[in-house]
Amino acid sequence: AQSVTQPDIHITVSEGASLELRCNYSYGATPYLFWYVQSPGQGLQLLLKYFSGDTLVQGIKGFEAEFKRSQSSFNLRKPSVHWSDAAEYFCAVAVSYNTDKLIFGTGTRLQVFP
Amino acid sequence: KAGVTQTPRYLIKTRGQQVTLSCSPISGHRSVSWYQQTPGQGLQFLFEYFSETQRNKGNFPGRFSGRQFSNSRSEMNVSTLELGDSALYLCASRPQGYNEQFFGPGTRLTVL
Repeated sequence: AQSVTQPDIHITVSEGASLELRCNYSYGATPYLFWYVQSPGQGLQLLLKYFSGDTLVQGIKGFEAEFKRSQSSFNLRKPSVHWSDAAEYFCAVAVSYNTDKLIFGTGTRLQVFP
Repeated sequence: KAGVTQTPRYLIKTRGQQVTLSCSPISGHRSVSWYQQTPGQGLQFLFEYFSETQRNKGNFPGRFSGRQFSNSRSEMNVSTLELGDSALYLCASRPQGYNEQFFGPGTRLTVL
């Protein structure tokens, strides 16, 4: 069965520092991968997605993610974090292209210190 | 375009009652999905609808049901509420031929 693991429950960084949030997936075929962000009291906003092609994907708000098939990973990165990036981040995999069903990781809460 | 809207935003019920949550997708979107978010279980898929047909269902008891109307609006119903049903219920819609879901702000259900 498909699964997504986000090993880091909580990460704290200083504003301006670089960020990497880890995501590992378990899926037999080519995965469809997503990163979402959720601010307190809000729904989910899509940051970026990977379906195929270039393994380095650019998203909104200066985020990028790299798909590494050999490591079953899809880590999210940002070179310089802003205080407004403080939120919870979810990695997800779609079970197939023809369904909306997403399997989410448990999330990583990002705290940003000034 | 207006985003996905969910009503009500907050709801308090007691055990044994039933509840209906509503979701209006983005105009033109025909696919609607529902998710339950709890601190213990995280984000879990509930249902997926397209053109009034349920295409997929998550691993939830029969107390959880849903439907979609001809205008793509969707409702989900939970009967015989339990304390563990307290959660944020998120709805998402997707345009046809485009694999990106747009989420609403959710309905926060508290069961006392």
